Amino acid sequence: EAGVVQSPRYKIIEKKQPVAFWCNPISGHNTLYWYRQNLGQGPELLIRYENEEAVDDSQLPKDRFSAERLKGVDSTLKIQPAELGDSAVYLCASSLGRGSTEQFFGPGTRLTVL
Amino acid sequence: DAKTTQPPSMDCAEGRAANLPCNHSTISGNEYVYWYRQIHSQGPQYIIHGLKNNETNEMASLIITEDRKSSTLILPHATLRDTAVYYCIVSVTGTASKLTFGTGTRLQVTL
Repeated sequence: EAGVVQSPRYKIIEKKQPVAFWCNPISGHNTLYWYRQNLGQGPELLIRYENEEAVDDSQLPKDRFSAERLKGVDSTLKIQPAELGDSAVYLCASSLGRGSTEQFFGPGTRLTVL
Repeated sequence: DAKTTQPPSMDCAEGRAANLPCNHSTISGNEYVYWYRQIHSQGPQYIIHGLKNNETNEMASLIITEDRKSSTLILPHATLRDTAVYYCIVSVTGTASKLTFGTGTRLQVTL
């Protein structure tokens, strides 16, 4: 069974440029998460989807970050414009749904903003 | 959710048991203890979770004290591939939907 797929794995951009990350969760997983992980820190939740609905986006910086999961399957996280402080690893995870006890993580996208 | 306290780093010799402690003294009665680990350049991986009884699976054992204020993750025979950051997380829902990661314990397994 394929795991959570993320692309790209690495991205280097100039500040003020836009960037997008893509995630394809494990087939059949209704819940999708986006996390940001700064160097030396644990992952921080940005947004959680239950199918197409964003049920927890309280930590998403909405002035520059946006996310979508239009058909309840894959998802895109966008930053526009990027700032130097956005350099981090962006992780996507999925789980079966409500009551599930395990999140499955992808390998992440390492973003460097110059 | 209750906060957790873990040592920043630990060493363990290959083949020996690795015992990773976690303090969660403010845990509530309905909060579960989860353990995840993150190998370098990979996403976190679920290891085990429990409420109050000790738990064991193919990866590890979880020992929760009777007062539930602390727990220990045990890797019975550590290998070099167990070198990773181990996160102890307390979750109010008992499901995977709300996990708040701290900084974890960096376990280094050596020859």
